[in-house]
Amino acid sequence: QVQLVESGGGVVQPGRSLRLSCAASGFSFSNNAMHWVRQPPGKGLEWVAIIWSDGSKKYYTDSVKGRFTISRDNSENTLYLQMDSLRVEDTAVYHCARGVAVTGNPNFFDPWGQGTLVTVSS
Amino acid sequence: EIVLTQSPATLSLSPGERATLSCRASQSVRGYLAWYQQKPGQAPRLLIYDVSDRATGIPARFSGSGSGTDFSLTISSLEPEDFAVYYCQQRYSWPLTFGGGTKVEIK
Repeated sequence: QVQLVESGGGVVQPGRSLRLSCAASGFSFSNNAMHWVRQPPGKGLEWVAIIWSDGSKKYYTDSVKGRFTISRDNSENTLYLQMDSLRVEDTAVYHCARGVAVTGNPNFFDPWGQGTLVTVSS
Repeated sequence: EIVLTQSPATLSLSPGERATLSCRASQSVRGYLAWYQQKPGQAPRLLIYDVSDRATGIPARFSGSGSGTDFSLTISSLEPEDFAVYYCQQRYSWPLTFGGGTKVEIK
């Protein structure tokens, strides 16, 4: 079955870096756009970034532009999120999700991984 | 940025009752709206996409409707497993945005 498993979360000090990974299985990873979506503890959902299936296009939410980089390795069926200059407000569970759509940009999310918790604290 | 406002924040109902959740967009999102369900400790799950199309495996008691800026998710008869938080999401424009969520709780 389709499965997404995130890893790489942890506790990090403000200003430091962290790299998240998302291992995909059960579907043709190289043919699908992928997203990161985050959820601060006890709060709602916030879309973070998308990468097209071939890596040719990437978009970010404004609050992470210039600090976060989304990338992928289609030979390893793995999605990444490099997070630099981390801030306290980046504290959240980070989910990876496959992008889907019948027409247009693949910007609905199905399925989602369970997520990995990133805590930014001094 | 398109802001999605969900109401009510909390809906207290009994099993078997009908639930109607609202999502209002700050500008038209045309037909590019989805609904997700999230249970405690779990990842969100896609329920409805493109306003009214049920995702694979979603029961027929879930239905979506609306257009332009006003949308709704209806659960025709609440089952015990339906008590959860529901989010709407638009894909009409960047950045992709979610509503703040509606919690459906047992009365």
